[in-house]
This record gives sequence, structure tokens and C-alpha cells, in this order.
Amino acid sequence: KAGVTQTPRYLIKTRGQQVTLSCSPISGHRSVSWYQQTPGQGLQFLFEYFSETQRNKGNFPGRFSGRQFSNSRSEMNVSTLELGDSALYLCASSFMASGVGETQYFGPGTRLLVL
Amino acid sequence: ELKVEQNPLFLSMQEGKNYTIYCNYSTTSDRLYWYRQDPGKSLESLFVLLSNGAVKQEGRLMASLDTKARLSTLHITAAVHDLSATYFCAVDRLVGGSNYKLTFGKGTLLTVNP
Repeated sequence: KAGVTQTPRYLIKTRGQQVTLSCSPISGHRSVSWYQQTPGQGLQFLFEYFSETQRNKGNFPGRFSGRQFSNSRSEMNVSTLELGDSALYLCASSFMASGVGETQYFGPGTRLLVL
Repeated sequence: ELKVEQNPLFLSMQEGKNYTIYCNYSTTSDRLYWYRQDPGKSLESLFVLLSNGAVKQEGRLMASLDTKARLSTLHITAAVHDLSATYFCAVDRLVGGSNYKLTFGKGTLLTVNP
């Protein structure tokens, strides 16, 4: 079974631009969560989507948004990029929604550098 | 606000030695996860601990959960170089309704020296 895939793997943008990251979950998984990983803040939860609905959102500004499509693929968008948005963005998928003790399977991440 | 604290944050040990990584969390939760991350790679699930007293073992790693003490441990037995990685614990927190949020510790960078 193919794992979680994320595209692109690497991205360089400049301040003020916007970016869209894509995540394809494991086949059959309906929940997709996004995380930001930085050396200073560690791993922080961004949001979770389940069956095309956002279930949960972390403490990030409105510049960070996402959506999920009917095939469970998810996209994350960051508008008006700031230097501090440079990070590894990870998505994770699971069959059930969060909170039931199911393992989340992580993708390889998209490394975003904002100049 | 849930806080998840791991210690130590950095651990250098010799092959063949034993050591324990600790994960404390600040609010009630019955679900705790351990992940491993190799440099430049994504996170790999190691253990899911779902109840008080749960103990799981895989190879040289053993994880346990004490929900009353709000403490989980990851014990490494007879370490080998291949275990060198960053280890994260994460805790589910109910944030409203039936929605949960996974909160991670800062991670423990483990280096096993020959």
C-alpha cells in the first residue's frame, strides 16, 4: 500500500508570496492532519480534515488555510508568506478522525524556505 | 493549555547501555504516542499507548504509560547505533466536542556511539 505522499518536497518562496502544498493520504484514509515543524517551536498542529470538513484548527493565523477534497486529498495554503513560515510541513493520515487512538501515518514533508 | 515535556532533550549513550526517556504531560489524557524521526526524514510511529498501565515492546524499545502520574517512559535496552534518531512523544487532548488535538513534546535527540 502506498504511503502518504506530499508535493512538492522542497519549495523556495519570497516574502509576501503565497504557497499551496498538497497531501495525498494512504488509500482509504479519510482523516488528514497538517503539522508545522521548526527547530524553535517543534511540531505544531495546524488543522485536521475529515470527510472534507475541518474538524480542528491549531493556533495559527488566518493566513494558514486548508481544504480536503472528496478523494481525501488535502491542500494547505499559506498566504502573504513571512520569514517565520520557513519550516517542514508534514501531513499525516488515518482512517478514523483523531481522538480514537489510531496511529497517524506521516508523509515525507514539504520543506518551505521563505526568503 | 496542554504541555508535553520530554527529558532529556539530548542523550548521548554508548552502544550496549540502557537508558530511559521521560515524557510528562500536564492534563488528563488516555492516549499517548511515541514517534521516531531520522534526520531529514518524516515521523515513524513506534507505539500507541491507550490506557493506564499499558506497556508495549518492540525490539530494544519498550514504552509504558502511567496516566495517574501523567508520565510515559521509553526505555532503551542495549542500545545500538541504528537507534540514533529523534524520539517524540505526543498526547491527544480533547479541545471541544469530539475533536482532539495532538500535542508533541520537543523531542529527544538520541545519539548512540560505538
